[in-house]
Amino acid sequence: ELKVEQNPLFLSMQEGKNYTIYCNYSTTSDRLYWYRQDPGKSLESLFVLLSNGAVKQEGRLMASLDTKARLSTLHITAAVHDLSATYFCAVSYNNNDMRFGAGTRLTVKP
Amino acid sequence: DTGVSQDPRHKITKRGQNVTFRCDPISEHNRLYWYRQTLGQGPEFLTYFQNEAQLEKSRLLSDRFSAERPKGSFSTLEIQRTEQGDSAMYLCASSLFGTGGTEAFFGQGTRLTVV
Repeated sequence: ELKVEQNPLFLSMQEGKNYTIYCNYSTTSDRLYWYRQDPGKSLESLFVLLSNGAVKQEGRLMASLDTKARLSTLHITAAVHDLSATYFCAVSYNNNDMRFGAGTRLTVKP
Repeated sequence: DTGVSQDPRHKITKRGQNVTFRCDPISEHNRLYWYRQTLGQGPEFLTYFQNEAQLEKSRLLSDRFSAERPKGSFSTLEIQRTEQGDSAMYLCASSLFGTGGTEAFFGQGTRLTVV
């Protein structure tokens, strides 16, 4: 069964600092997704990564994928308060449904 | 198109009652997913459809849960004889399978409280 693990589960960081969230998955995957969720809200799509070595960037967030290591990272550059949210990675295999990690709750403090 | 729409947004029901939720996906999307999310957890897969066919159903889904997508457009999720453990946010998502790389877009969810 496909399992997805994220770490850390909780992350408190200061504005202006950099940090990385990790997402490991247990079996071969064909797609890796990153989502953001604000409290009480639904999930907002951030990135879809399809192939080994894929890198995508949007603003202060950059996601990468290493399919050989079964690892994706979400790097945060010069964090700002607006980035405070819970970030989920999700993985699909054989074009089927997505399986989610437990999420990383990010708090950016001034 | 305004995105994925779910109805109702909130539902409070007594234990033992049946409830039904509706999801209207983005109009051209052929895949529709149902997830359940409890506080502090990631979304848990329940089931998904491609057009009107239900392709996969979670082993965790008891026989009290049933989902349909009769015409390949909107979908309903019914929970029979609700239990307190069913209290959660029920999320629907849709995607366009076959074009490669498209993400699933989520609705606002239906929050179920069983009292």
